[in-house]
Parts: sequence; C-alpha cells; structure tokens
Amino acid sequence: QVQLVQSGAEVKKPGASVKVSCKASGYTFTNYYMHWVRQAPGQGLEWMGVINPSGGSTRFTQRLQGRVAMTRDTSTSTVFMELSSLRSEDTAVYYCARGTYDILSWLEYWGQGTLVTVSS
Amino acid sequence: EIVLTQSPATLSLSPGERATLSCGASQSLSSSYLAWYQQKPGLAPRLLIYYASTRATGIPDRFSGSGSGTDFTLTISRLEPEDFGVYFCQQYGSSPYTFGQGTKVEIK
Repeated sequence: QVQLVQSGAEVKKPGASVKVSCKASGYTFTNYYMHWVRQAPGQGLEWMGVINPSGGSTRFTQRLQGRVAMTRDTSTSTVFMELSSLRSEDTAVYYCARGTYDILSWLEYWGQGTLVTVSS
Repeated sequence: EIVLTQSPATLSLSPGERATLSCGASQSLSSSYLAWYQQKPGLAPRLLIYYASTRATGIPDRFSGSGSGTDFTLTISRLEPEDFGVYFCQQYGSSPYTFGQGTKVEIK
C-alpha cells in the first residue's frame, strides 16, 4: 500500500532554514509527482509546490519563490522540502502529498504532516 | 492566481440530513480540474472527489460532486456521524493549485 512517512517536528529560530523529508513506499517513486502543502494553526491549506521525482523539475507558488527548494533522492524514494529565511508566519504543519503521473493532478495520498514551529 | 470561495463557512446539520457545500472559482476551471477533501482535527486531508465529480477509491456513494466552469458543489446525501469535519475544494488546473478556505460541517 502507498505510504508517505515524514520526518519529525522541528523548532527553528527566525532566519534559519528547515528541511523536511518524505519517504515514499508502495509504488514506483519516479512515476508520480509529489506536492507539498502547508497549514498554519487553525487555518486553511496552502499549496507550496510540486516536484517531478523522475527528473527533479519543480514548480513553486510565487509567494515562496526564492525561499523554497524541493529535491529528491531516487535511491531512497525520498523527497525533501527546504524552506529558508524562516519567519513566524511559516509556523505550520507541512504535508507531502502524492499526485498522479500528470503535473495537473489531485492529491490522493498524504503524509502524516510535520509541524514546524518558528520562534525566537 | 485562481481564487476559490467556499460557502457557507459553517454548516450545522443533524445526522441523516443532506449537506450542500459550494465552491466558486474566480476563473473558469479547464477540464473541471477540481477536487474535494475532508479533514478531521489533527489528521491529513482525505481525497473525496476529483475531476469535479469522480469519487476517489473507497469513498461512499453518499458523497457526490457536480459543477463546471466556475461553480461547483459537493453534496452529502445523508450525513453520517463520521462525516463531520472541514471540507476543502482545490483547483489543480492552473499553478498555483489553490484551495478554498474550507466549510466546517458540524453537528447541530
């Protein structure tokens, strides 16, 4: 069965960076796009971007352009999301979510979420 | 950026009642690239519907989606106790793939 297992909670100071991992199993890793979505406490969902695990190409929301990076390691079926220059507003639960073989896709499988807290 | 507006913000209903949730898009969505998700406290969202009206695997047939262009609806024909939670729509036809702000379905 498809599983996405994310790394544990992080506490960071403003200005620092955080890198969250998402290990996939139960399917062919390189065949499906992986998306990242975040949710601030008590708020809605915000789509952050997507990575093609096959070639590594990425697309991000303009709001985070320049601060976000997404990479993958095909040898371990893991994708990574790194967010830099952290601000208090970046405090949120970060989810990886698997799309389909097409970049224009719904999100069927989700990781358990990783809480990132930004606080001085 | 396509803005999705969901209504109402909160829906207070009793088990067995019909729920109708709306999602309006600021621009027409090509090929009905719209999905619906359910989220319960402390958990990741769960996919319910994609392509505006196709039920995801394992989703009961009391959930149905409809609409095209800029107006979309999620209907829960008869609410079960486990259906209470927050529902989000998402468009995935134009980057950034935006979400609506959510509709909370609560027990009356």
